[in-house]
Amino acid sequence: GNSVTQMEGPVTLSEEAFLTINCTYTATGYPSLFWYVQYPGEGLQLLLKATKADDKGSNKGFEATYRKETTSFHLEKGSVQVSDSAVYFCALVPSRNTGKLIFGQGTTLQVKP
Amino acid sequence: GAGVSQSPRYKVAKRGQDVALRCDPISGHVSLFWYQQALGQGPEFLTYFQNEAQLDKSGLPSDRFFAERPEGSVSTLKIQRTQQEDSAVYLCASSPPRQGTDTQYFGPGTRLTVL
Repeated sequence: GNSVTQMEGPVTLSEEAFLTINCTYTATGYPSLFWYVQYPGEGLQLLLKATKADDKGSNKGFEATYRKETTSFHLEKGSVQVSDSAVYFCALVPSRNTGKLIFGQGTTLQVKP
Repeated sequence: GAGVSQSPRYKVAKRGQDVALRCDPISGHVSLFWYQQALGQGPEFLTYFQNEAQLDKSGLPSDRFFAERPEGSVSTLKIQRTQQEDSAVYLCASSPPRQGTDTQYFGPGTRLTVL
């Protein structure tokens, strides 16, 4: 079946530290991969996406590379800010245009000044 | 422009009551999705509409759950005879046709608490 596994949180970092949130997936076919972010009190927002192997999605200083050989889509940021504190969800759509997003359980990031 | 809106934002129901949750998608968005998010978990897919057609309802947990989108715009998720295990945040998302169904824009959710 299709599933997403994320590293457990919470992740607590100091400002300007390097961030990695691990995400691995199981899927049939060729999924599209996503990172969504949920800031406190707000709805889910798309952070970045990649639709084929070796694609790199990037946005707001965050990056993730679609690695088919390791079935991974790890989220990275070189220097986190307090404003990055949020819950991050890795997700996949099993094949294009099915619409069904399959989410991981979420990883809470807390950045301290 | 306006994003996806959902109402009510909070709903408390007594066990056995029926509830109706509303979603207003972004204007012009063809695809509409409902998800259920339990506390501390990721959202789980419930159902998907393209215009007024319900193309996938495989995630609805029981026949107490029913969704409709009669005119291809506003959607309602109805839960009959609510149970405590239905307590969750219900998220609605919509997707513009030119991006296919991959990029979904989420509403703020309705937090349902069943006592």
